[in-house]
Amino acid sequence: GENVEQHPSTLSVQEGDSAVIKCTYSDSASNYFPWYKQELGKGPQLIIDIRSNVGEKKDQRIAVTLNKTAKHFSLHITETQPEDSAVYFCAASWTSYDKVIFGPGTSLSVIP
Amino acid sequence: DTGVSQDPRHKITKRGQNVTFRCDPISEHNRLYWYRQTLGQGPEFLTYFQNEAQLEKSRLLSDRFSAERPKGSFSTLEIQRTEQGDSAMYLCASSLAGVYEQYFGPGTRLTVT
Repeated sequence: GENVEQHPSTLSVQEGDSAVIKCTYSDSASNYFPWYKQELGKGPQLIIDIRSNVGEKKDQRIAVTLNKTAKHFSLHITETQPEDSAVYFCAASWTSYDKVIFGPGTSLSVIP
Repeated sequence: DTGVSQDPRHKITKRGQNVTFRCDPISEHNRLYWYRQTLGQGPEFLTYFQNEAQLEKSRLLSDRFSAERPKGSFSTLEIQRTEQGDSAMYLCASSLAGVYEQYFGPGTRLTVT
């Protein structure tokens, strides 16, 4: 079945440094890859996404890259700030626009 | 606030009791999804609706679980004869049909004692 793997499971960086989270997916038919940020006690918040016809997308301090051949995608956060501390989930979906399959999450801590 | 809302936010129940959760999607969204999230894991898909039609159910959705969206607006998720393994965060999300982006509510945290 569909599967999304994510690493590392925890990541600790100094404020101002960059953070990178990597994911792989199993279903080659996947064509939509969202990233969600979840703070304690809250629901996941969509922060950026990328479609299969795009290799890279950037939004201010956040960028995502996609390698469809290798079935890898990554999240890059530059100039990290304490408010970036949260759990980040990568995910994958399909043209049918139905369920989203989530990775297990990365707990990011930004140390002031 | 025009986001997805869920009620209640927290529910504590004893094993064997029935519980019902409610989700109100973003007003113009015709798709509504239910996910379950256990501690330290990513959300897992349970079921989704387009308008009032339930289009897919996960194998995770045992016969003790039932979801409805009678008028194509809000949805309810009922768990009958709760078990301790049902303890989790139940998340609702909504989207427009034909659009990828799903927006999540704050979740209902269920604790079964």
